[in-house]
Amino acid sequence: EVHLVESGGAVVQPGGSLRLSCAASGFTFDDYTMHWVRQAPESGLEWISLINWDGSSIDYGDSVKGRFTISRDNSKNSLYLQMTSLRSEDTALYYCTKDLTSGNYHRGFDYWGQGTLVTVSS
Amino acid sequence: SYVLTQPPSVSVAPGQTASITCGGYNIGAKSVHWYQQRPGQAPVLVVYDDYDRPSGIPERFSGSNSGTTATLTISRVEAGDEADYYCQVWDSNSDHWVFGGGTKLTVL
Repeated sequence: EVHLVESGGAVVQPGGSLRLSCAASGFTFDDYTMHWVRQAPESGLEWISLINWDGSSIDYGDSVKGRFTISRDNSKNSLYLQMTSLRSEDTALYYCTKDLTSGNYHRGFDYWGQGTLVTVSS
Repeated sequence: SYVLTQPPSVSVAPGQTASITCGGYNIGAKSVHWYQQRPGQAPVLVVYDDYDRPSGIPERFSGSNSGTTATLTISRVEAGDEADYYCQVWDSNSDHWVFGGGTKLTVL
C-alpha cells in the first residue's frame, strides 16, 4: 500500500526558513515524478514544485521560485522542500503527492499525504 | 499563465445529477484531471485524462472535455459526495501544473 508521510511543518517567523520532508513507501519511489502542493486556510490547491525521478528536471510555481528548493533522495525514498525567505502568504498545509504514472505523461496525482502545516507568523 | 475557472458552488438533491464545469482557453486540447476533497482530508483523484477513472472510483463519476469547457458529472448523487472538487491541467507553455479554484458541492 502506498504511503506518503510529510513532516517538518512548524510555526516560523517571516523571513525564516524551514525544511519539509516526505517519506514514501509502497511503490518504486525512483520511478516517479513527485510534487509539492499547498493549500492555504480556507483556500484552494496550489501546485508549487515538481522533481522528476532522478532530479534532473525541476520546476517551481511563480509564487515560490527563487525561495523554495525541491530535492529527493532515492536511496531513502524521501522528498524534501527547503523553504527560505518565508512570508505570511506561505502559511498553508503542504502536501506531498506523486504522479499517477511513471514517465512524463502528466496524468494527474494519484496518492497524497495528509499534509504538514506551515505557519508563518511573528 | 493559464487560468482555470470553476463555479464556487453547486447544489444538488440526493439521487440527482451534478455537473461541475471547468473553463479554460482551448481546454479541449488538454487533458483534464479532477479531484475530490472532503473536509479535513487530502484530495483524491476521481477522474484523469478527461474521463478515465482510477481504480476504486465509482462509475457514477464521469468526465468530458471539449472546446473551452471540461465537465465532471456525478450521477445519482449521495450525501458522501459532498466535497470540494478541483480541476487540473498541465500547462505546457509554462511547464506548470494549474488547478482551478475549486467548486463546493452541496447535497441538499
